[in-house]
Amino acid sequence: GAVVSQHPSWVICKSGTSVKIECRSLDFQATTMFWYRQFPKQSLMLMATSNEGSKATYEQGVEKDKFLINHASLTLSTLTVTSAHPEDSSFYICSVKQGQGFEAFFGQGTRLTVV
Amino acid sequence: KQEVTQIPAALSVPEGENLVLNCSFTDSAIYNLQWFRQDPGKGLTSLLLIQSSQREQTSGRLNASLDKSSGRSTLYIAASQPGDSATYLCAVGTNDYKLSFGAGTTVTVRA
Repeated sequence: GAVVSQHPSWVICKSGTSVKIECRSLDFQATTMFWYRQFPKQSLMLMATSNEGSKATYEQGVEKDKFLINHASLTLSTLTVTSAHPEDSSFYICSVKQGQGFEAFFGQGTRLTVV
Repeated sequence: KQEVTQIPAALSVPEGENLVLNCSFTDSAIYNLQWFRQDPGKGLTSLLLIQSSQREQTSGRLNASLDKSSGRSTLYIAASQPGDSATYLCAVGTNDYKLSFGAGTTVTVRA
């Protein structure tokens, strides 16, 4: 299956600063990538769909000005959490879909802690 | 809106016992259903993908069934091992390529 690499694996930042998370598709070109968020003991929730060369599509309730997504190439999507607050602390994970069956493959995730 | 429920939330079994994990969903208009494994603090590993036209998929000790009409899928893990301890997530895919996840079943296999 597809190999997805996410960086960094974990990050601690101060409240009010911005953090960038990278998601790379290592072995195939992904026109679409997906960003999810997972709070402790909860399920993954889709935040946005990242489309190469165009604007991301955000799910209801997700602030597009706070979570900036850039999909500048077929192998890289970035999620920037702007003006981070402690309530943004979460596990962020990206995925790609491959093949006609649209099987989803995930990166290893990024644990963000805002202090 | 698709709602995905996984029961039980947690399961503890002795090594060698078979595992049965349940997933139910409210909207039967699905594109596919995928089972994942998640280890603590880690990403998701895809286990099995079942297309909406299929009834089951098998991979090694894993077997997943799908009953679209009743909105249910079951993941069977035969002869469980301590290495099978993890959280298992069920995700339902729709035609817009999005996934709706259940909250997962956390499995502990005791040696």
